[in-house]
Amino acid sequence: EADIYQTPRYLVIGTGKKITLECSQTMGHDKMYWYQQDPGMELHLIHYSYGVNSTEKGDLSSESTVSRIRTEHFPLTLESARPSHTSQYLCASSQASAGNTIYFGEGSWLTVV
Amino acid sequence: AQSVTQPDIHITVSEGASLELRCNYSYGATPYLFWYVQSPGQGLQLLLKYFSGDTLVQGIKGFEAEFKRSQSSFNLRKPSVHWSDAAEYFCAVGSGAGSYQLTFGKGTKLSVIP
Repeated sequence: EADIYQTPRYLVIGTGKKITLECSQTMGHDKMYWYQQDPGMELHLIHYSYGVNSTEKGDLSSESTVSRIRTEHFPLTLESARPSHTSQYLCASSQASAGNTIYFGEGSWLTVV
Repeated sequence: AQSVTQPDIHITVSEGASLELRCNYSYGATPYLFWYVQSPGQGLQLLLKYFSGDTLVQGIKGFEAEFKRSQSSFNLRKPSVHWSDAAEYFCAVGSGAGSYQLTFGKGTKLSVIP
């Protein structure tokens, strides 16, 4: 099973602030993902990456941006947070050679006030 | 486009009773199917998955699921529920090995009565 670490787990921040949610995985998985989940709702894919220097937008439009400079690291950035960004953000990874099963981190809860 | 329907938003069962959570999917080719569980304030933990082969798959924590192509279903079952099984359960379908992404259902919240 993959080890995926997300920081911070919980963050309360003021409107207009810049934030970066960190995600790291130690299994060398090539694919990484960011999902957004509002309370009591399903998950929606907002970003994914096939490997270093690869980033794609997911099904749900998001004002956030991502980067993949290293295989193990896939941070998500919001340049100017707004209350509408309040949500849970889940990072995940998978590897084709491991059956492409997607493994999730514990999530980052973001509240913008 | 692929989609997943979980018809039951909330299910309540007594501890020790059997459980079945329903999942129907829509996908043009052979699907990759998953069940995940999410405890409050936590990420998603993989319970089991189906890629091919035997249509009855065994997972962790005593869960199993059966893939029925004719019914486009992948229902999750457990013969005897424990109080610690109370959580949110998500069914998901994957698009395949190439451009691999998951589409999730809206989830079923399971409550367990002592």
